[in-house]
Amino acid sequence: EPEVTQTPSHQVTQMGQEVILRCVPISNHLYFYWYRQILGQKVEFLVSFYNNEISEKSEIFDDQFSVERPDGSNFTLKIRSTKLEDSAMYFCASSFPGQQNNEQFFGPGTRLTVL
Amino acid sequence: GDSVTQMEGPVTLSEEAFLTINCTYTATGYPSLFWYVQYPGEGLQLLLKATKADDKGSNKGFEATYRKETTSFHLEKGSVQVSDSAVYFCALNNQGGKLIFGQGTELSVKP
Repeated sequence: EPEVTQTPSHQVTQMGQEVILRCVPISNHLYFYWYRQILGQKVEFLVSFYNNEISEKSEIFDDQFSVERPDGSNFTLKIRSTKLEDSAMYFCASSFPGQQNNEQFFGPGTRLTVL
Repeated sequence: GDSVTQMEGPVTLSEEAFLTINCTYTATGYPSLFWYVQYPGEGLQLLLKATKADDKGSNKGFEATYRKETTSFHLEKGSVQVSDSAVYFCALNNQGGKLIFGQGTELSVKP
């Protein structure tokens, strides 16, 4: 069964450093998403991406964040200069248009720890 | 804006007990409703969904009915197992696009 994959599973970085989180969505999916979950809190939407551009973003997704689909398979989230409060689990998701209300399939997540 | 509210946890039950986790929502229009489960150390898995009023989603013995009149989507299971211990998230999706999650309810099932 096709699945969304994410790498790395755990990333540790120093405050102020840039990180890139990588996702490989399900191959025929066209919508891509990033969510994050700070430890013990709810899952929060960050950004959605369709047709090579951002379709929606939340208030969390400020100028420090960017997304890219550099080739036909990867979908990346870049944090330009990490802060302590960026420590969280980051989930990638993808969906296919036409499925009932865009059912989203989630990857296993990348745990980001900012020291 | 759209929102989801879940009952607070943690919920602790004995094996074979009946489970209810309450979920209510606020949304314009006719959202789709979902329950996701997160087992310890793992990502989010779709447990069940319902896309219109009075639909019942079911999976692995869990059920939830989309009640538009009470804007609710409560999760139920008749007899829980230790392996059901996890965090359960109610979520909605309005006309496609982002999922909006509740705060999650931790379930702990004791043998």
